[in-house]
Amino acid sequence: QVQLQESGPGLVKPSEALSLTCTVSGGSISTYLWSWIRQPPGKGLEWIGFIYYTGSTAYNPSLKSRVSISVDTSKNQFSLRLSSVTTADTAVYYCAKLLRYCAGGSCGDYFEYWGQGSLVTVSS
Amino acid sequence: EIVLTQSPVTLSLSPGERATLSCRASQSVGTSLGWYQHKPGRAPRLLIYDASIRATGIPARFSGSGSGTDFSLTISSLEPEDFAIYYCQQRSNSPPITFGQGTRLDIK
Repeated sequence: QVQLQESGPGLVKPSEALSLTCTVSGGSISTYLWSWIRQPPGKGLEWIGFIYYTGSTAYNPSLKSRVSISVDTSKNQFSLRLSSVTTADTAVYYCAKLLRYCAGGSCGDYFEYWGQGSLVTVSS
Repeated sequence: EIVLTQSPVTLSLSPGERATLSCRASQSVGTSLGWYQHKPGRAPRLLIYDASIRATGIPARFSGSGSGTDFSLTISSLEPEDFAIYYCQQRSNSPPITFGQGTRLDIK
């Protein structure tokens, strides 16, 4: 079974960049789609973006100008970078493997496996 | 962006009762809708995808239905471990992927 683990700093200063890495075990990253999701304290889930192992990406339009997701197939990892952070970016950040299911000519993407989450606090 | 609205916000039931949670989309998503269970301090768990297909290892008491804009998740007989927050999520043909705001299922 695929397992994911987030790693990175738990505290980031305002205006700086947030960087997290997700290490995938139990399966190759060179298939499927991989994604980042976050949950601010007391709020719901927000999709950040996803990446295919080839490097093609899609991002939430609300974050697109500040976010970048990359993949390192040699390390079986993918990474998130969010620039110019503010306190509103304080959240638990999850990485996840997507399940793409297609039927009847349309496809849906679902978060099949998740990491345990990494709390990132933006504060001076 | 497709907005998902879940109801009720909070549902208070007892173990053994039947729970029905609703999710309404602002425009049609076909059957491209999933449901997740989320407990504090844990990662969310995929329960249902494509509106009605149970994910691997999910008990048969969980079922999903609906298409277009109206969907529901039913838990036929609540177990103590089922009390959690439930989210619906859509991913139709274009980004972004969006989640509903969640329904909290509490023990009565």
